[in-house]
Amino acid sequence: EAGVVQSPRYKIIEKKQPVAFWCNPISGHNTLYWYRQNLGQGPELLIRYENEEAVDDSQLPKDRFSAERLKGVDSTLKIQPAELGDSAVYLCASSPRPQGRQETQYFGPGTRLLVL
Amino acid sequence: GDSVTQMEGPVTLSEEAFLTINCTYTATGYPSLFWYVQYPGEGLQLLLKATKADDKGSNKGFEATYRKETTSFHLEKGSVQVSDSAVYFCALGTSGGSYIPTFGRGTSLIVHP
Repeated sequence: EAGVVQSPRYKIIEKKQPVAFWCNPISGHNTLYWYRQNLGQGPELLIRYENEEAVDDSQLPKDRFSAERLKGVDSTLKIQPAELGDSAVYLCASSPRPQGRQETQYFGPGTRLLVL
Repeated sequence: GDSVTQMEGPVTLSEEAFLTINCTYTATGYPSLFWYVQYPGEGLQLLLKATKADDKGSNKGFEATYRKETTSFHLEKGSVQVSDSAVYFCALGTSGGSYIPTFGRGTSLIVHP
C-alpha cells in the first residue's frame, strides 16, 4: 500500500513569491491534515479536512495561506506571498475515518520550504 | 488549551542501554496518547498509543503506560539499538467539536555502537 505522497520534497523561494505544496493521501483515507513543523518543534495543525470539507482551519493564517481538497482526495496548500517566517517543513497526514480521539495519523515525508 | 511537554534532547546512549523519554500533558478533555517516531529523512509514524488510563501501549520493544494521576506517558525501552536513533514525539488527541491534535516538540535519541 502506498503511503502519503507529498511534492515537492524541497523548495527554495524568495520572499513575496507564491508557493504550493501537493499531497496525495493513502487511498480510501477520508481525513486529511496539513501541519507546519518549525525547526526543533513538533507539528502544528494548520487545517483538517473530512472528505472535501475543511472542518478545522482555525490555525490557518488566512491572509496568506489557502488550501483546497476539491474532490476529497488530493490536496494543495498555498502560500501567497511567502514571508521569511514561513520557512519550515510542511507535513501532510491522513487517517481512514472521521477524526476521533483514537485515530492514528499516517504522515508523508514533508516538504521543506526555505524562504530567502 | 491542550499541551504536551517532553524532555529536552538529545538523549545519547550506548547500545543496549535503558531508555526513558519523559512526556507529560495537560488536556481539557479525556485524551488518547500517542508516541510517534521520525527516522532520518522519513515522515512521522505511529510507534504506540493508549486510549484510556492504565493502558499500556507497546511496539518494537518500546512501552508507555497512560498514567492519569500523574498526567504522564513516558516512553521506555529496555535495550536500545543503533537503529532506534530517531526523533520521538509525544502527542495527544481529545474528542470535542474542534479537534486539534497536539504534539510535543520531539526528543532526539542518538544511540552509539
